[in-house]
Order: sequence, then C-alpha cells, then structure tokens
Amino acid sequence: SAVISQKPSRDICQRGTSLTIQCQVDSQVTMMFWYRQQPGQSLTLIATANQGSEATYESGFVIDKFPISRPNLTFSTLTVSNMSPEDSSIYLCSVRISGNTIYFGEGSWLTVV
Amino acid sequence: AQKITQTQPGMFVQEKEAVTLDCTYDTSDPSYGLFWYKQPSSGEMIFLIYQGSYDQQNATEGRYSLNFQKARKSANLVISASQLGDSAMYFCAMRSPLSQGGSEKLVFGKGTKLTVNP
Repeated sequence: SAVISQKPSRDICQRGTSLTIQCQVDSQVTMMFWYRQQPGQSLTLIATANQGSEATYESGFVIDKFPISRPNLTFSTLTVSNMSPEDSSIYLCSVRISGNTIYFGEGSWLTVV
Repeated sequence: AQKITQTQPGMFVQEKEAVTLDCTYDTSDPSYGLFWYKQPSSGEMIFLIYQGSYDQQNATEGRYSLNFQKARKSANLVISASQLGDSAMYFCAMRSPLSQGGSEKLVFGKGTKLTVNP
C-alpha cells in the first residue's frame, strides 16, 4: 500500500485568510487529485494536478480560489484562499500507485470561523 | 455522465453477523472500475475492494466481498462477521474510463453509515 501524508491534519482558520495543505507521497505518481468533503456530504473532486503543467479544475472550482502546485512527482499543495465558513470541509488528496488501487491521504480537517 | 447511487443512509448489524451495503451505478462506458472505501470518524478514506468491469469473478478481500451484477449495474459490498470496528461510513465509487481521457478520478455515492451493535 501507499503512504500518503497530509499536513495539516486539522486547523481552525479565520475567515478571509488562506491555508495551504500539503500532500506527500512515498513514491512517484503521474497524477494527484484533490477532493473536498463538506460536512455530512460525499467527496467532490476539486482538481487534478499533473507535474509540470497547470492543474485541471472541475466545474464549480476555480484556480483563484484553490490554487494548486505540483513541483515534483511526489508532492502537491492545495491552497484554500480567502476562506469563508462554507469552506469548512475535509480536504483529501489521492493517487494511484500501482494496479487498480486508488489511495487517499488521511485528510485535512479545516474549520473556518 | 457517470452516477453512483447508495440508497441506504444508515444500516445496523449485530456483531458477528454479515451485512450487505447496496450500490448501483450508471454509465454508458463498457470499461470502468468500482471501488468501496471505509471512512471512520477520523476522516481518512480506507480502500477496501476493487472490481473491474471485465473481471470474471467477484472481488474478495478478507472479510469484504463485492457482489457484482453487471446486468443490474450493481456492486454491493458484503461484510462478513461484522466487528465493532466496522462502524463507519462506507462509500461506493466509480472510476472514469481511461480510454476517454479519463483518469484515476472517482465519482462517489452519498455513502452509507454502518453501525455494528454489540
């Protein structure tokens, strides 16, 4: 199985501020994915992050609000900008290491007050 | 568009009994992958089992098995010999087909909350 580490695991932030979430994988992967899970809801894909190119955003998500970096094949960051209480969610990164298994990080719980 | 439906918001089972969590899917693509994940209260997503659309046999992983009925477009998760630690949210998900520029991104159902009673 893969080891996917996310930081921070939890944070409480003031509205209007920004927070950057890190995702580190213990092996090289082509694509990394960022999901959001709002309270009591299912997971929704925010964007796909490829190394060396711009991230691809899903409908309803924009780069200005959720800028993503992918500097190498084992690391990515997601920034939640100008936060509001509606951004309170679990943010998860995921990758496919080998075969058909898609793994997730432990998640980053974000509460905006 | 692909869609996953989980019709059971909550399920209860007695410890040591088996339980089936329902999942139906909708896709027009002949090639797809189906996943089940467990999400405990800690929030992490734990991979349980995978079924490919062309797999001849139902997938099994320890106490987890997937009852794959392709004609009915269903992929139910069966947990045998339930344990108290199985209490969690369970999500069914489908992977976009790689042949159509898809990737490893997943579409999720709304989830089923399983409670195992002692």
